[in-house]
Amino acid sequence: AQSVTQLGSHVSVSEGALVLLRCNYSSSVPPYLFWYVQYPNQGLQLLLKYTSAATLVKGINGFEAEFKKSETSFHLTKPSAHMSDAAEYFCAVSGPHTGNQFYFGTGTSLTVIP
Amino acid sequence: DGGITQSPKYLFRKEGQNVTLSCEQNLNHDAMYWYRQDPGQGLRLIYYSQIVNDFQKGDIAEGYSVSREKKESFPLTVTSAQKNPTAFYLCASSYKGGSLTDTQYFGPGTRLTVL
Repeated sequence: AQSVTQLGSHVSVSEGALVLLRCNYSSSVPPYLFWYVQYPNQGLQLLLKYTSAATLVKGINGFEAEFKKSETSFHLTKPSAHMSDAAEYFCAVSGPHTGNQFYFGTGTSLTVIP
Repeated sequence: DGGITQSPKYLFRKEGQNVTLSCEQNLNHDAMYWYRQDPGQGLRLIYYSQIVNDFQKGDIAEGYSVSREKKESFPLTVTSAQKNPTAFYLCASSYKGGSLTDTQYFGPGTRLTVL
């Protein structure tokens, strides 16, 4: 079965610092990968997705992620953190062997320190 | 504005009672989904529907039931058989059922608390 692992349930960065949120997938077949953001007591919003086109994917709010097959990773980055980036971030996977389902990671809570 | 609405935002239920959570979308999407979110566990799929009058169980369907009589509506009933129903419930939709690359659009969620 396909799954994703998000390393670090809590990440803190200073305002203006690099944001790096980690996501690794487990699949022998390259999957489709997504990053979603969730603000408190709200639904999820898509940041970006990888669907086997360009390996470097740019999303909204200055975020980007790079698909690295050799590392089975899809880490999310942003060069300079803003206070408004504080939220929960979820990596998700789908693919030929997921039975039409999307599987979400356990989430990473990002705190931005002023 | 197009989107997904869930109601109510907060719901309290006594043990042994069934309760129905509403999900409506005006995005003209074929597929709809129900997820359960618990702290530290991410989102887990309860049920999904790719077309009207059809739905499939997800990983944690026990104690839940759904219907899909209209394209825009996908209500979820939490039955008394669900042993630990207190959670945040999220409804989502996507353009085409069966497409693994479609973006899922989420509603604002319903927080269910069993007293």
